[in-house]
Amino acid sequence: NAGVTQTPKFRVLKTGQSMTLLCAQDMNHEYMYWYRQDPGMGLRLIHYSVGEGTTAKGEVPDGYNVSRLKKQNFLLGLESAAPSQTSVYFCASNPGTSFEITTDTQYFGPGTRLTVL
Amino acid sequence: KQEVTQIPAALSVPEGENLVLNCSFTDSAIYNLQWFRQDPGKGLTSLLLIQSSQREQTSGRLNASLDKSSGRSTLYIAASQPGDSATYLCAVSAGGTSYGKLTFGQGTILTVHP
Repeated sequence: NAGVTQTPKFRVLKTGQSMTLLCAQDMNHEYMYWYRQDPGMGLRLIHYSVGEGTTAKGEVPDGYNVSRLKKQNFLLGLESAAPSQTSVYFCASNPGTSFEITTDTQYFGPGTRLTVL
Repeated sequence: KQEVTQIPAALSVPEGENLVLNCSFTDSAIYNLQWFRQDPGKGLTSLLLIQSSQREQTSGRLNASLDKSSGRSTLYIAASQPGDSATYLCAVSAGGTSYGKLTFGQGTILTVHP
């Protein structure tokens, strides 16, 4: 199993450009998450999904959109990139359960380092 | 709003020392607490997960404790090695309808020198 993979690994954008980050997992996990990591601020949740076709806002959703058309993929979009979105973006997945609370850990991808000039 | 704080922000120790990393959280209504390791330029790897009903978990040279009522957790690393050098992150999952969402601390950067 490849686990959680992210594409691309690095990207440089100009202000106002758009792009999509792709996250894929091959573990048949129900839950998927997008976080951003900034120096001195830990990881903050952007959006998450609890199953195919579902999405929900996290702590810092402004400026981002997401889609989960297939269970194994979770896409993060930036419609008009801003310098404040310069960050390292991590995708994670979790098996999920039949209920809302999960007892398992999250599995993280290697990250995408995005710079917006 | 849950806030997670880790102390110290950075720690440098000689090889062989036993060390303690601290994590505190403001809302004691957590479901579980996890410790992660992050190597430079890499993703996060889960080290230990403690359910709210548990007091501690152990894996090899690592031992994590949880005092839910006081909002504290510690990660104890025995006989530290240079290979333990990394950033250690603490994260909590809320109770209720949380869907496994995590709130992270800022991390402790650990350097173990030979």
